[in-house]
Amino acid sequence: KNQVEQSPQSLIILEGKNCTLQCNYTVSPFSNLRWYKQDTGRGPVSLTIMTFSENTKSNGRYTATLDADTKQSSLHITASQLSDSASYICVVSDAGGGNKLTFGTGTQLKVEL
Amino acid sequence: DTEVTQTPKHLVMGMTNKKSLKCEQHMGHRAMYWYKQKAKKPPELMFVYSYEKLSINESVPSRFSPECPNSSLLNLHLHALQPEDSALYLCASSQVGADYNEQFFGPGTRLTVL
Repeated sequence: KNQVEQSPQSLIILEGKNCTLQCNYTVSPFSNLRWYKQDTGRGPVSLTIMTFSENTKSNGRYTATLDADTKQSSLHITASQLSDSASYICVVSDAGGGNKLTFGTGTQLKVEL
Repeated sequence: DTEVTQTPKHLVMGMTNKKSLKCEQHMGHRAMYWYKQKAKKPPELMFVYSYEKLSINESVPSRFSPECPNSSLLNLHLHALQPEDSALYLCASSQVGADYNEQFFGPGTRLTVL
């Protein structure tokens, strides 16, 4: 069964600090991995999407890495801001067609003053 | 226009009511999706439409009835719901064909069943 696990479940950091979120997956056959940001009560917004051959991808202060051999990904947030407070969801698409996504349970990030 | 819109934002209904959720996109996407999301849980896929035809139904109870009247619109008709159906209902759209196609999500409809 395809699974995506994320750690930590929740995280509190001070504004201006950096943090790294982790994602492990067992999805086969693998197509791509995405990181989404979801504010409470809102729909997820895509941050990055990476295929098998991509090791790293950046989007402003967000940098995602992918190790397809170990089936691990990370999302690094630099110089955090209060507006970064949200749930960050790792999502993996399998290559079986139909663009079906397996969602992780998310990391709830809170940035404080 | 890179936006998926959903109406209403909030909906409260009784167990005997009939209501509908609406989703619209004008990005030319030919795949549209309904997801259900409970608090602090990831979204769960309910239905997928591809070229206005239902392609995936994830064993959703018949009290949820999807409809895709044209390539821009997706509806979810609700009837005789249960309190446990209360959740955030998300609509998404994407291009058809490649697994790489990014899904764009709407803001969701917060449904409460009394």
